[in-house]
Amino acid sequence: YVLTQAPSVSVAPGQTANIPCGGNNIEVKVVHWYQQRPGQAPVLVLYGDKSRPSGIPERFSGSNSGNTATLTISRAEAGDEADYYCLVWDSSSDRYFFGSGTRVTVL
Amino acid sequence: EVQLLESGGGLERPGGSLRLSCAASGFSFGSYGMTWVRQAPGKGLEWVTSVSDTGRSAYYGDSVRGRFIVSRDNSRETLYLQMNSLRPEDTAVYYCAKNSEWSPVGFFGPWGLGTLVTVSS
Repeated sequence: YVLTQAPSVSVAPGQTANIPCGGNNIEVKVVHWYQQRPGQAPVLVLYGDKSRPSGIPERFSGSNSGNTATLTISRAEAGDEADYYCLVWDSSSDRYFFGSGTRVTVL
Repeated sequence: EVQLLESGGGLERPGGSLRLSCAASGFSFGSYGMTWVRQAPGKGLEWVTSVSDTGRSAYYGDSVRGRFIVSRDNSRETLYLQMNSLRPEDTAVYYCAKNSEWSPVGFFGPWGLGTLVTVSS
């Protein structure tokens, strides 16, 4: 199962960044999102398409429809600069798949 | 607070073996599935394997199936990854992570800080 992510996204401070994750009929799968800042371990920012773990700001939201799941960062801050990865479990192959990652730059 | 500490990484020659460990604390280790994920230098995340709470059920990524074996010792609250027939392309930082529930399936986090494995002659 292939997950397609754009290599990079740029956003101005205070604006909204949309980070798409494309997959065949991805809407029937459950998508999770990870943030990885430079030199750090990944951190879960969304699970189950749109739920936020405790400690993750409300500025992070998600959606999943058709062939695209989207992580949205509202009111972007410098601290949001990181690589973002989508993740799904494919029950037909019993495997997890990560997207290739999107680098978000706030400038 | 959940804490995961990986160890056992290092330099190994192609064809060799290494065993990674992940010491867990701050949660009921024996009640959760666990996962290994790796990241080659400058590359993205790659799922390696996930195991259920008892260790009876496990899934593997295509690139490691048949060479790597995941296991756990719930009495020691430790997760293991036995890596055999190592290849240069196995060079990566290896992270362990706590699953969201007992099964190998679901989402995972938090993650440890990782341990670097280098396979080179």
